[in-house]
Amino acid sequence: SYLLTQPPSVSVAPGKTARLTCGGNNIGSKSVHWYQQKPGQAPVLVIYYDSDRPSGISERFSGSNSGDTATLTISRVEAGDEADYYCQVWDSSSDRLYVFGTGTKVTVL
Amino acid sequence: QVQLQQWGAGLLKPSETLSLTCAVSGGSFSGYFWNWVRQPPGKGLEWIGEISQGGRTNYKPSLKSRVTISVHTSENQFSLKLSSVTAADTAVYYCVRGAPVAARIYYGMDVWGQGTTVTVSS
Repeated sequence: SYLLTQPPSVSVAPGKTARLTCGGNNIGSKSVHWYQQKPGQAPVLVIYYDSDRPSGISERFSGSNSGDTATLTISRVEAGDEADYYCQVWDSSSDRLYVFGTGTKVTVL
Repeated sequence: QVQLQQWGAGLLKPSETLSLTCAVSGGSFSGYFWNWVRQPPGKGLEWIGEISQGGRTNYKPSLKSRVTISVHTSENQFSLKLSSVTAADTAVYYCVRGAPVAARIYYGMDVWGQGTTVTVSS
């Protein structure tokens, strides 16, 4: 089955840029979605189709996807961005269909 | 906008059946896949399965023998049943709107329920 690997944690200072990676075999051929989850809350979709933002999501969130790595970039990081972030693909060839990454905890210093 | 409201029993004993229901309001029920996702304490997200308005289902293989997802179209609701639960099924369970049926590749899971904490303990 298809696996998505994310670094467990990323630390970033306020105002700086955070880059979160999501690794998967030829992930560039798939559509990647990203979710933000704050403690005690349901996940929120922040990026879909590699780089599109749902309505209401800050322009500070952007995404890219190529080769074996997809990246979520958070620009001008704010304290409110501290959360867990999960990547996800829909893989019709996988027995799990919806595959989530292992998640990255973003800590704002 | 579309909202999902879910409910069901939060405390179960081993071997019992988990039962949750999710009501969709504020938008179309047709044309989408409707999902259940769970999250064990301190762990990541795990997809359980999905159903279309027409009743087409897909399940995570490792759970398939114990999972039933059903749809109640007239009430804009869908349900999850997970049989023979164990402590490993302890998690927060979310109902989630998936991608449009005609565009599975392009869209993520954009509407989530509030989550239901299910604890399995003797």
